[in-house]
Amino acid sequence: GENVEQHPSTLSVQEGDSAVIKCTYSDSASNYFPWYKQELGKRPQLIIDIRSNVGEKKDQRIAVTLNKTAKHFSLHITETQPEDSAVYFCAAKGVLTGGGNKLTFGTGTQLKVEL
Amino acid sequence: DTEVTQTPKHLVMGMTNKKSLKCEQHMGHRAMYWYKQKAKKPPELMFVYSYEKLSINESVPSRFSPECPNSSLLNLHLHALQPEDSALYLCASSANGQGNTEAFFGQGTRLTVV
Repeated sequence: GENVEQHPSTLSVQEGDSAVIKCTYSDSASNYFPWYKQELGKRPQLIIDIRSNVGEKKDQRIAVTLNKTAKHFSLHITETQPEDSAVYFCAAKGVLTGGGNKLTFGTGTQLKVEL
Repeated sequence: DTEVTQTPKHLVMGMTNKKSLKCEQHMGHRAMYWYKQKAKKPPELMFVYSYEKLSINESVPSRFSPECPNSSLLNLHLHALQPEDSALYLCASSANGQGNTEAFFGQGTRLTVV
C-alpha cells in the first residue's frame, strides 16, 4: 500500500518568512495530492491540491510542487501570518478498484508562526 | 451547502454500550468515508462507501459497523468498544467514486470510551 512520509514534524518561522513542508510517497500509481490544514480541535480543511499531470500550482500565498519522478511534493507558504499556525497534513490518493478515494496521510507538520 | 455534518460532537460511552455516530451531506457526493484520528496523529481511513456500497474496509474490528442508508447519510454503529478506541471520528465525502476530487471533512465526533 501507499506510504507517505512528511518532514519536518515541527516548524517555527517568524511572521513574514516562508515555510516549506516536504512529503514523499511510495506508490507511483498515486495521482492526486491534497494538503490539509487542521487547527486545534477542528476538522482538516483542504488548502490546495495538485494532480499528477501538473508540476506546480499556486493560490495566493500557497503553492504546491510535484516531482513525479522523484515521488516528492512540497507545500510552500510565503509571507506567513500567525493565523497560518496549525498542523498541516499532506496526502496521496491511491487507486481503489471498488471506487472512492483512499487518502493516505503524512504524519503532519506543526507550523508555528511567531510574531 | 458545502458542509458535512456529524452528530453528536462529543460522546462518552461505556464498554458495554451501543451507540451510533451520524454523518450527513447534501452536496450530492457519492463517496463517503469514516476516518479515525488519535491525538497528534493523521487521520486513518476506516471505511469507504461508493454509490452506497461498501468499497473498502481497512481491517476494522467488527465492533465498528458502518451503514449507508442513502446517498446523503452515513452511520457508524459502535458496540463493545475498548478505551483505546477513544479518538476523533471524522466523516468525509467526495463527489464521486472515481477521479481526483476533494474530500470534505465533517467537524468530527470526539469519542471517549470509559
